Amino acid sequence: DAGITQSPRHKVTETGTPVTLRCHQTENHRYMYWYRQDPGHGLRLIHYSYGVKDTDKGEVSDGYSVSRSKTEDFLLTLESATSSQTSVYFCAISDGDSYGYTFGSGTRLTVV
Amino acid sequence: KNQVEQSPQSLIILEGKNCTLQCNYTVSPFSNLRWYKQDTGRGPVSLTIMTFSENTKSNGRYTATLDADTKQSSLHITASQLSDSASYICVGSGGSYIPTFGRGTSLIVHP
Repeated sequence: DAGITQSPRHKVTETGTPVTLRCHQTENHRYMYWYRQDPGHGLRLIHYSYGVKDTDKGEVSDGYSVSRSKTEDFLLTLESATSSQTSVYFCAISDGDSYGYTFGSGTRLTVV
Repeated sequence: KNQVEQSPQSLIILEGKNCTLQCNYTVSPFSNLRWYKQDTGRGPVSLTIMTFSENTKSNGRYTATLDADTKQSSLHITASQLSDSASYICVGSGGSYIPTFGRGTSLIVHP
């Protein structure tokens, strides 16, 4: 997707290990979001950022932390991965609600 | 609490046929409603956006309608193609930078 990349695209990890997912944008958008998508639940907001070092929790933030030290990067960390965190994770960027939201291609995370 | 409900949950149609997907929203304050298309294994991509003052918007074979009084939107797909097989997600926004997502309608187009 134009201007936004997620890494890695796929990851398998063991229960209890830390995992960090990266979202990188080249659009200089102010807002960045992390969602998880599971069958039957749709997209659920984990954390979001409204500026460098400005972040807040979403509806499913337990077990996740984020950091944004630069405008272009938004990191999602699972401190100690659990099987319930097996999911597809999407990053999104926006320059304000009127401009819409652009999504990355997703990271498929499997916790075994 | 803001909510977006979509129906049906899934839909199977034959290639060339038309179909309509529904979205009911409770988003307050309300500023706009978007429809996204999500192909398998990809991120959602925006199809249409409508503000509260607009009641129809087209993007090729996709036509979205909005009734701000009843808080309903629909996405009509004309002359469906195999490439229309995807999940279609309705998203309501307004007043903040946190949109409200529906769970999506899974559309399968058979040849």
